[in-house]
Amino acid sequence: EPEVTQTPSHQVTQMGQEVILRCVPISNHLYFYWYRQILGQKVEFLVSFYNNEISEKSEIFDDQFSVERPDGSNFTLKIRSTKLEDSAMYFCASSEGAGGGETQYFGPGTRLLVL
Amino acid sequence: AQKITQTQPGMFVQEKEAVTLDCTYDTSDQSYGLFWYKQPSSGEMIFLIYQGSYDEQNATEGRYSLNFQKARKSANLVISASQLGDSAMYFCAMREGGGRDDKIIFGKGTRLHILP
Repeated sequence: EPEVTQTPSHQVTQMGQEVILRCVPISNHLYFYWYRQILGQKVEFLVSFYNNEISEKSEIFDDQFSVERPDGSNFTLKIRSTKLEDSAMYFCASSEGAGGGETQYFGPGTRLLVL
Repeated sequence: AQKITQTQPGMFVQEKEAVTLDCTYDTSDQSYGLFWYKQPSSGEMIFLIYQGSYDEQNATEGRYSLNFQKARKSANLVISASQLGDSAMYFCAMREGGGRDDKIIFGKGTRLHILP
């Protein structure tokens, strides 16, 4: 069964460093998303991406964040200068279509720890 | 106002019993989708079940069923014959319709403990 994959599974970085989180969405999906979950809290939307551009972003997704689909399979989230409060689990998700009727399938997550 | 409300932060249930996890939602859209995800201690988000706002029948997937009461705006998850492996965090979530508001909004979750 096709699934969303994410690498790395864990990343430890120093405050101020850049990190790139990688995702491979399900191959026939067209809509891509990043969410994050701070430890013990609920999952929060960061950004959605379709047709090589951002569709929607939350207030969390400030200028330190960027997303890219560098080729036909990968979807990346870059944090330019990490802060302590960026420590969280980051989930990539994809769906075939948009709207209320479409399921988003989540990857296993990347656990980011900023020291 | 919260879009998704899960009022049970934690639940303890005896193995083999049925369990109902509560979820209420708030939307003015006519078209929306409701989802339940399971998050075990390993951290991944596992899709369990989906209910569309126009679906007349309650969704079922194996031991999972969704008790959809549209007028009450509730979408409770029912797990029949619970198993030890069902111990996890469960999130209710909603995706509003029309494509303009594409994100999934999650509730705060319910931590379910299945007791042997």
